[in-house]
Amino acid sequence: AQKVTQAQTEISVVEKEDVTLDCVYETRDTTYYLFWYKQPPSGELVFLIRRNSFDEQNEISGRYSWNFQKSTSSFNFTITASQVVDSAVYFCALGGYSGAGSYQLTFGKGTKLSVIP
Amino acid sequence: DGGITQSPKYLFRKEGQNVTLSCEQNLNHDAMYWYRQDPGQGLRLIYYSQIVNDFQKGDIAEGYSVSREKKESFPLTVTSAQKNPTAFYLCASSIRLNEQFFGPGTRLTVL
Repeated sequence: AQKVTQAQTEISVVEKEDVTLDCVYETRDTTYYLFWYKQPPSGELVFLIRRNSFDEQNEISGRYSWNFQKSTSSFNFTITASQVVDSAVYFCALGGYSGAGSYQLTFGKGTKLSVIP
Repeated sequence: DGGITQSPKYLFRKEGQNVTLSCEQNLNHDAMYWYRQDPGQGLRLIYYSQIVNDFQKGDIAEGYSVSREKKESFPLTVTSAQKNPTAFYLCASSIRLNEQFFGPGTRLTVL
């Protein structure tokens, strides 16, 4: 069975601070995918990044960066110089095959980030 | 513009009624999904469909039904058998093994 743990339920930071959102996953698959989504107050999930299990290179996109470490089964997300617009719930997800042989995403419970001006 | 639309945005249901939530996509994606989100919780999979005229139960399918008669459409019916249907419902679509794209969601409230 697949599992995603986001241990941080809520985080508050002051604007311009850096913040890291943790994600730990469990899977028996050798091939899998990891994702981060942002859910602003409007409710729609916005795709941020996809990483496959064979690519451990860290990625940077503007103020966002992701650290994938297979050795610790972690896929952490860092926002540099946070802004009020970053306030949202962030979900980590794991993509893999279910027992029935179909591809599914398993989501963590999310981390609510509040950036205070 | 390509995307996923869900309607209505808000829906109110009386106990004992069936209601149908609409989900349409023009991304030409084969796979479509329905999730339920409760406050403070992650997304839980209700049903998914990888191809037209075929769908499978997810983790919490009881009290729900779906159909997939067209590639673009994947409506979800919340039946009276669903004991606690008040939640936020999200529809998504994807190309196989790729990221899922989500609609804006429908907030269902049982009166």
